[in-house]
Amino acid sequence: SAVISQKPSRDICQRGTSLTIQCQVDSQVTMMFWYRQQPGQSLTLIATANQGSEATYESGFVIDKFPISRPNLTFSTLTVSNMSPEDSSIYLCSANSRTRANEQFFGPGTRLTVL
Amino acid sequence: ILNVEQSPQSLHVQEGDSTNFTCSFPSSNFYALHWYRWETAKSPEALFVMTLNGDEKKKGRISATLNTKEGYSYLYIKGSQPEDSATYLCAFLSGYSTLTFGKGTMLLVSP
Repeated sequence: SAVISQKPSRDICQRGTSLTIQCQVDSQVTMMFWYRQQPGQSLTLIATANQGSEATYESGFVIDKFPISRPNLTFSTLTVSNMSPEDSSIYLCSANSRTRANEQFFGPGTRLTVL
Repeated sequence: ILNVEQSPQSLHVQEGDSTNFTCSFPSSNFYALHWYRWETAKSPEALFVMTLNGDEKKKGRISATLNTKEGYSYLYIKGSQPEDSATYLCAFLSGYSTLTFGKGTMLLVSP
């Protein structure tokens, strides 16, 4: 299985600022994803992080608000831009294994509170 | 929009009780059904990936069944222990989309 680490694990931010979350996988993976879980809601896919090209965003999410980078096969960042209290969520990084594509692994999440 | 429903939303049982949760999902374009266990401040942990109608999988005291024709899966925990306390998530994978998650069932097991 792939081990995924994220940092920071939690943060409290002021409205209007931006936060970049880092995700590191311990082995090469095919696909990397970013999810969000707002309070009381389902885990929702924000985007698929593509290596060396622009991320693929799901409906309702845009690049200006959630810029994503994936410079190599094991690292990705998600930025939450111009934050508002509605952005308070848990953000999770996820990846598929190269050898077991049907399995998806998750990082421990970043708990973000926006004041 | 794919709809994945989990029930109950939360559950509080005593140590030693057996319990079960339900996940319902679209019965068309089925590819796989995933179950995860998510403890606070930890990574969601994959429990089962189920792909065939009638599948039954078991991991220790936890087991799951799958009915793709009617679109539901049950997760069972036999003899619940306090360390089973977590949120249990199911996620549906169709042939055309990425994982769609339910809201989860939050289980609390009291000693």
